[in-house]
Amino acid sequence: EAGVAQSPRYKIIEKRQSVAFWCNPISGHATLYWYQQILGQGPKLLIQFQNNGVVDDSQLPKDRFSAERLKGVDSTLKIQPAKLEDSAVYLCASSLSSRDPRRNTEAFFGQGTRLTVV
Amino acid sequence: AQKVTQAQTEISVVEKEDVTLDCVYETRDTTYYLFWYKQPPSGELVFLIRRNSFDEQNEISGRYSWNFQKSTSSFNFTITASQVVDSAVYFCALSEETSGTYKYIFGTGTRLKVLA
Repeated sequence: EAGVAQSPRYKIIEKRQSVAFWCNPISGHATLYWYQQILGQGPKLLIQFQNNGVVDDSQLPKDRFSAERLKGVDSTLKIQPAKLEDSAVYLCASSLSSRDPRRNTEAFFGQGTRLTVV
Repeated sequence: AQKVTQAQTEISVVEKEDVTLDCVYETRDTTYYLFWYKQPPSGELVFLIRRNSFDEQNEISGRYSWNFQKSTSSFNFTITASQVVDSAVYFCALSEETSGTYKYIFGTGTRLKVLA
């Protein structure tokens, strides 16, 4: 079974430029997550989708970050304009979620995109 | 509020030693899940274990074992006879239902260094 795919793996941009990351979740997984992981810290949830609807985007800096999930499958995360503090690894994850807790699965993560803003 | 605390920032052990990584969580929900993930230098988070709140039975998988105690809100992870390949950052995570789906909250991680 294919895992969560992310691209690109690395990206270096100058501050005030824009950047986009792409994620393809595991087939059939309704829930998709974008996490930001700053060096030395744990992953922080930016946005969570259930199919193509947003469940939680309370920690997404909406003045510069945006995300969409096309047709409930692939997702893109965009930063415009980027700041130095956006330098981090951006992790995408997906899971099979259900109201029945017995059917809930763990989140599977992609390899991440390491963003460096200079 | 939900919170996961991993008080140990970094641990160094010599190969073949046993090591325990601590995890303490806070939640008001009665149904929740606890996880451990491993993050090797490659960066990908690798799932190790999931534990349901209604199942306090401890689990052993090879050299790995987990001790879940609801009374102390802890979910500790022990590696027996550690190996160099165990060197990584380990994250404990809590998952609760929000709007019919599950939200994961991660601790700050414990960096484990196993020295040859």
